[in-house]
Amino acid sequence: ELKVEQNPLFLSMQEGKNYTIYCNYSTTSDRLYWYRQDPGKSLESLFVLLSNGAVKQEGRLMASLDTKARLSTLHITAAVHDLSATYFCAVGLIFPTSGTYKYIFGTGTRLKVLA
Amino acid sequence: DVKVTQSSRYLVKRTGEKVFLECVQDMDHENMFWYRQDPGLGLRLIYFSYDVKMKEKGDIPEGYSVSREKKERFSLILESASTNQTSMYLCASSRVYNSPLHFGNGTRLTVT
Repeated sequence: ELKVEQNPLFLSMQEGKNYTIYCNYSTTSDRLYWYRQDPGKSLESLFVLLSNGAVKQEGRLMASLDTKARLSTLHITAAVHDLSATYFCAVGLIFPTSGTYKYIFGTGTRLKVLA
Repeated sequence: DVKVTQSSRYLVKRTGEKVFLECVQDMDHENMFWYRQDPGLGLRLIYFSYDVKMKEKGDIPEGYSVSREKKERFSLILESASTNQTSMYLCASSRVYNSPLHFGNGTRLTVT
């Protein structure tokens, strides 16, 4: 059974600080996704990471993927209040016998950036 | 921009009622998904569909069924609502089998 674990589950940080969210998954995957969810809102796609060593950056967020370690990280640089949200990673899994594709989500990391 | 629309933002139903949650997407996406979101558990896949009239069970299908009669519409049905189905329900779609998901705004269902 595929498991996707994120840590930490909660993160409270000061503005201007750096921090990293970790996403571990238990089996080989097609690709790795990061999403953001603002309070009371739905999920919005941030990044899709396709291969080992992939790195993507948008603003103060940078995501990377190590497929050998089955680990993705979301690094936050010089956090600002607007980054307060819940961040989810998700792993894509192909089922060869049925040809179907599932997205399995982690539990989410709730980030609060304090002014 | 893709729009995924869920028919209700909030619903309150009684135990034993049959409940329909509707989801419509406007971008001709092949794949549609229903998740439930609970604190500390993340998003869990209930059912998904990769074509009209096709459906696949996700990780927690018990107590739910789905219908996809048209490509743009994917309905989640709670045959006999129970209090443990109180949750936030999220519908999503994807253009092809491994493209990022586009989510609706969610339906917060309370079963009393």
